[in-house]
Amino acid sequence: GDSVTQMEGPVTLSEEAFLTINCTYTATGYPSLFWYVQYPGEGLQLLLKATKADDKGSNKGFEATYRKETTSFHLEKGSVQVSDSAVYFCALSQSGGGADGLTFGKGTHLIIQP
Amino acid sequence: SAVISQKPSRDICQRGTSLTIQCQVDSQVTMMFWYRQQPGQSLTLIATANQGSEATYESGFVIDKFPISRPNLTFSTLTVSNMSPEDSSIYLCSVEVLGAFFGQGTRLTVV
Repeated sequence: GDSVTQMEGPVTLSEEAFLTINCTYTATGYPSLFWYVQYPGEGLQLLLKATKADDKGSNKGFEATYRKETTSFHLEKGSVQVSDSAVYFCALSQSGGGADGLTFGKGTHLIIQP
Repeated sequence: SAVISQKPSRDICQRGTSLTIQCQVDSQVTMMFWYRQQPGQSLTLIATANQGSEATYESGFVIDKFPISRPNLTFSTLTVSNMSPEDSSIYLCSVEVLGAFFGQGTRLTVV
């Protein structure tokens, strides 16, 4: 079945550092790929998505590019802030909008220190 | 987009009892999904609920333990039955409206 693997956390960085959170997937066909973020005490929120190969999703300074050849969707941000501290989940869906449910990675806890 | 209201937001329950979680959406949706997030783990899909038919359960989840209702296109409930401490998790409902949207979650602690 489909699966998502993302780097283990916690990841601790200083403010203004460059961020990469790795995500790779195993799936048949051409799934859509997502990054979700869960801030402390809040629900899960969609951060960005990409629906086909070479698409780049971006939001709030975060970017991720759908790499079919390496089955990856790494999350990057050039300069992180303390407010970016959260748990980040990589996910995939076999339909563009997630109608069949989502397959999530285990999440990466990001801690940004001032 | 979709706005999802889920309640209760948290509860502490005695083992052997049951808890029903409600999920209300501000628009009509065909399918609603229920997920579980165990401590330190990712989200796991419990079941998919379509209005007018029985819910479809994922491997490892059964209707007797997690009965689901879907009386109309904007509402669903998930019941966690005969609870044990292992059921302590966050339970989330989700809908798809040009993308997946999640409720705030119900944090359940079973003692």
